[in-house]
Amino acid sequence: DVLMTQTPVSLPVSLGGQVSLSCRSSQSLVHSDGNTYLHWYLQKPGQSPQLLIYRVSNRFSGVPDRFSGSGSGTDFTLKISRVEPEDLGVYYCLQSTHFPNTFGAGTKLELK
Amino acid sequence: EVQLVESGGGLVQPGRSLKLSCVASGFSFSNYGMNWIRQAPGTGLEWVASISSGSSYIYYAETVKGRFTISRDNAKNTLYLQMTSLRSEDTALYYCTRTDYWGQGVMVTVSS
Repeated sequence: DVLMTQTPVSLPVSLGGQVSLSCRSSQSLVHSDGNTYLHWYLQKPGQSPQLLIYRVSNRFSGVPDRFSGSGSGTDFTLKISRVEPEDLGVYYCLQSTHFPNTFGAGTKLELK
Repeated sequence: EVQLVESGGGLVQPGRSLKLSCVASGFSFSNYGMNWIRQAPGTGLEWVASISSGSSYIYYAETVKGRFTISRDNAKNTLYLQMTSLRSEDTALYYCTRTDYWGQGVMVTVSS
């Protein structure tokens, strides 16, 4: 199974600040079709996860451009600029290139 | 508007069975692969099973293989998860997902 490692576990941030979240996979996430199926989700307290970024760097509908995804192969990053209160919660990365699909353990973004 | 509405959860004794349903609306259900993902209380996300649009491809997590069955009825726009031989460790909030959209989840509690 592909192990997804997210760091840090907890990330204190000041409103208006910028942060980078890391997600690393134990093997390449490049699919045989050439795509890389690495996605980022935010789960706010008491809510279902919501898709932010799909296939590494594509912002989902309605997601502000303060969110950006990058990376390739086994190393991926989610950057959030000008952090707002509604950005707080747990961020998960998911790989759906390989079965079983696997999630990272999450990074909790909280106020400093 | 895409909507995924799960039902069928509840309290069940170990060893018993339960069948979850997810009614989809707002998109062409028959064109999309679907997933079940679960989240045990206070923990992260765990992928459970996936099914392709026409049911040709089905995948399971090792933790549920042989006990759970994912299926779909495209005429009814409904995704199912038949769960048998339930264990306490299956206690979780079960989400029906299209990868980009998630339902609100349905709680399954396995306890005597």
